[in-house]
Amino acid sequence: GAGVSQTPSNKVTEKGKYVELRCDPISGHTALYWYRQSLGQGPEFLIYFQGTGAADDSGLPNDRFFAVRPEGSVSTLKIQRTERGDSAVYLCASSLASGNTDTQYFGPGTRLTVL
Amino acid sequence: AQSVTQLGSHVSVSEGALVLLRCNYSSSVPPYLFWYVQYPNQGLQLLLKYTSAATLVKGINGFEAEFKKSETSFHLTKPSAHMSDAAEYFCAVKGGGSNYKLTFGKGTLLTVNP
Repeated sequence: GAGVSQTPSNKVTEKGKYVELRCDPISGHTALYWYRQSLGQGPEFLIYFQGTGAADDSGLPNDRFFAVRPEGSVSTLKIQRTERGDSAVYLCASSLASGNTDTQYFGPGTRLTVL
Repeated sequence: AQSVTQLGSHVSVSEGALVLLRCNYSSSVPPYLFWYVQYPNQGLQLLLKYTSAATLVKGINGFEAEFKKSETSFHLTKPSAHMSDAAEYFCAVKGGGSNYKLTFGKGTLLTVNP
């Protein structure tokens, strides 16, 4: 079946602009996660959705970052007033449930470059 | 808080040689441990996971890892490297109150020389 998809694959924007990154999880997966991977680092947790609600947004770096999942499927990560330090690969993952042993399946990521 | 340390940001082996990628974890509760592989311009793919059922875990593509509580380690091995194994490998831990959150190491880039 289809895996996690993310669009766009690449996004170049100018400092101060607004961007939206989209994630389409595996069908039937109730849990959805966003991670950010900076150059030379492992992915870092941003936010976790269970269904439509954000169950944990403790990883969002500041209030310029926001994410939604209005119908419990597709999610959008929104970044306002982008800064050069926001440049990274944004990864989305989904899982059937959210227990310790549940496997998170990752999408290919969106590479965001802020000029 | 949980953390993962991957020793060696870059490991280079010859084709056919043993692959050993090191991972040490820190966790105040019994951990759940994962190895993911990332090929260029692709997402992370699960290689294997430790869920307390057995200490020696076998994964895809001939990889395996052994959970050693006394050493707080979960090293990844493969007896014979293939050119196609060249990729970046990430060790990750879950557990405790945030049982959904993966905490990753910084990754180890594996190159395989012909």
